Formats: sequence, C-alpha cells, structure tokens
Amino acid sequence: EAGVVQSPRYKIIEKKQPVAFWCNPISGHNTLYWYLQNLGQGPELLIRYENEEAVDDSQLPKDRFSAERLKGVDSTLKIQPAELGDSAVYLCASSSPEKLAGQETQYFGPGTRLLVL
Amino acid sequence: RKEVEQDPGPFNVPEGATVAFNCTYSNSASQSFFWYRQDCRKEPKLLMSVYSSGNEDGRFTAQLNRASQYISLLIRDSKLSDSATYLCVVNVHGRALTFGSGTRLQVQP
Repeated sequence: EAGVVQSPRYKIIEKKQPVAFWCNPISGHNTLYWYLQNLGQGPELLIRYENEEAVDDSQLPKDRFSAERLKGVDSTLKIQPAELGDSAVYLCASSSPEKLAGQETQYFGPGTRLLVL
Repeated sequence: RKEVEQDPGPFNVPEGATVAFNCTYSNSASQSFFWYRQDCRKEPKLLMSVYSSGNEDGRFTAQLNRASQYISLLIRDSKLSDSATYLCVVNVHGRALTFGSGTRLQVQP
C-alpha cells in the first residue's frame, strides 16, 4: 500500500516569492493534516481536514498561508509571500477513523524541506 | 510553557544499555498518549501507544502516570538502530496530536 506522498521534496525560493506544496494521503484516509517542523522541534499543526472540511485551522497564519482539499482527497498548502522564517519542513499526515476514539494512527509523508533565501 | 515537555538530550549510551526517557504534559484533558520515533531527516513514525496500565513491545516499555501527568519510555538492550529522536505525543480527543520537541538518543558501539 502506498504511503502519504508529498511533493516537492525540496524547495529553495527567495523571500516574497510564492510556494506551494502538494500532498496525497493514504487511500481511504479521510483526515488530513499539515504540520510545520522546525529544526530541533516537534511537528506543529497548521491545519486539519475531515474530508474536504477544514475543522481546525486555528494555527494557520492566514495572512500568508492558505490550504485547500477540494475533493476530500489530495491537498495543497500555499505560502504567499514567503518569509525567511518560513524555512522549515512541511509535513503532511493522514489517518482513518478507529473504533476507539483518539487511537487513530497518523501516517506521515516524507515532508517538503523549504529554504527561503 | 509548552504543552508537552521533553529533555532534548542527547542521551549517549553504549550498545546493550538500558535507557529511559520521560515527558510531562500540561493538559489534564489529554486522553491518548503515544511515542513516535523520528530518524534524522525522516518523517515521524508511530513507535507505540501508551496505556494507563503500562505496556510493552519487545524491548520497549511505556508507562503513563495520569496523576503526575508524565509518560515514560524504557528501552532495554539498546541497539545501534535505536539511534533516533523519540517524540512524546498526547491527544485530546477531537483535536490533532500535540508533539513534544523530542529526545535524541545516540547508541554507540
């Protein structure tokens, strides 16, 4: 079974430029997450989708970040314009409902490493 | 204060040693607990869930103390391949996972 797919794996851009990341979750997983991970830190949630609905975007900096999951499958995260401080790894994860609430296993993609110059 | 606190390490231990990591969490409403493992420049992967009664998976033992709000992970007979960062993770149902910053383990030959 294919895992979570992300592209690109690496991206280098100049500040103030736009950038977009793409994620395809595991087939059948209706919950999709975007996380940001800085060096030496754990992943921090940016946005969580249940199917096509964003159910938690409280940590998404909406002035420059946007995300969509139009058909409830793959998702795109965009930054416009990028700032130096956006340099990080952007991780996508997905999970499927489990009988016991809260025990869903999240499967992460390999991430996109963004460097803003 | 972070919701999940971990000692960043690194813990440098010889092969065969026993090593223990602790983490504390601040949200008393937390209901599910996990340890994830993250290799250098790789994505996090679930190592094991943590149950109230404590649980074991081979050389790994996880324990939860709800009263003190801390979680532990014990690794026995450390292998070189155990070298990684171990992320303590808590969950309030209906919300996404909250990750600690991780504890780095380096097992040396």
